[in-house]
This record gives sequence, structure tokens and C-alpha cells, in this order.
Amino acid sequence: GAVVSQHPSWVICKSGTSVKIECRSLDFQATTMFWYRQFPKQSLMLMATSNEGSKATYEQGVEKDKFLINHASLTLSTLTVTSAHPEDSSFYICSAYPPEAFFGQGTRLTVV
Amino acid sequence: EDQVTQSPEALRLQEGESSSLNCSYTVSGLRGLFWYRQDPGKGPEFLFTLYSAGEEKEKERLKATLTKKESFLHITAPKPEDSATYLCAAGGTSYGKLTFGQGTILTVHP
Repeated sequence: GAVVSQHPSWVICKSGTSVKIECRSLDFQATTMFWYRQFPKQSLMLMATSNEGSKATYEQGVEKDKFLINHASLTLSTLTVTSAHPEDSSFYICSAYPPEAFFGQGTRLTVV
Repeated sequence: EDQVTQSPEALRLQEGESSSLNCSYTVSGLRGLFWYRQDPGKGPEFLFTLYSAGEEKEKERLKATLTKKESFLHITAPKPEDSATYLCAAGGTSYGKLTFGQGTILTVHP
């Protein structure tokens, strides 16, 4: 199946700093990528839809100024968590479309 | 609003004890019903996509079925390595956008 790679797998940052997470489609071109967030023992919640060459579409309640998404090429989307706070600590996962069924391995963000 | 509900929340089985997981959905214009396996600290691993009522797909000890209102993931003679969280997700009219259920935590005891 298609391979979606996320980097880093885990990151620890200090409160107030920014962190960038990369999502790459390794063997196909992804016109659209999706960013999800998962809290412990909860399911995936869609944060935003990222389209190559255009602005991301954010789900209701997601702060677009805090979670900056860039989809500059057909194989790379980035999520930047700006001015991170402890409540931003979570598991962030991306998926790429087409095909729509495949996810990256996730990034564990811990803000201290 | 699209909704996906999974049951039970948790399921404990003995090795070899077959069972089923349920996924009920309310989605406008269902384009696909997806099943994933998720291990702790990892992203969802794709298992199946079902597109129309009556469709069935199998992979090793797993079999997924779909009706107009729900999907089942049947696990036959499970092994401890089948222990994981199983997620169901529905794709609606927005291409690629999935609505996930809460998941079923499966534990298989040897």
C-alpha cells in the first residue's frame, strides 16, 4: 500500500516555542492531506484539510493561527504548532489523499 | 452531521474465542467504510475499505461486512497478537475526509 511518513515520531519542546511536523507521501502524489489529533484513549479528530498550493481548511474550533499548515508540494505537508502550551501536548497524525486510506505513523508532541 | 459509533468500547477474549465488533454509521453519501487497527503510540494501520452494502472482505482472521446502517468486523479464532484498538471510519461527500468512531479496544488473552 501507499506509504505516508511523518517526522519526527516524537518531540519535546518548551512552552512558548514552535514545533514543525512533516508529513510526506513517499511513493505517490497527494493533492490533499489531512491532519488529525488524538488524545489518550480517544479517537482521531480531524483538525484541518491541506490542499497543495492553497490555504488549509480548518475544522470548527481549531485555531488556524496556532496550527499553521503548509502544503507546498504534492508530497509534503507541514503542521507547525506555534507558541506551544502544555495543552497542545497530543498525538498528531496525518493522512494523504489519494489514496485516502493511509496514515502516517504519528508524532507524539509533549510541551513542558 | 456524519456520525460513527462503535461498540463495544472494550472487548476481552480468550485465544480462539471468535467475536464481532460493531460500527454503526450515519453518513450522507457514504463513499467508503474503513477499518483500521491501531497499536499504542502508532498511527492507524489500514485493514479494509467497504464501498457498498453486502460487500465483504477478508484478511487472515479478520472479515469485514457492510450493511446500509452498520459494519461488522468479525474476528475468527483470535490470537494475542490481534490485541489492539480497532477503528472504524466513514468517508462521506468530502473526498478523503473521514469521520472516526471511538474505537474498540480488543484484548486477547492466551
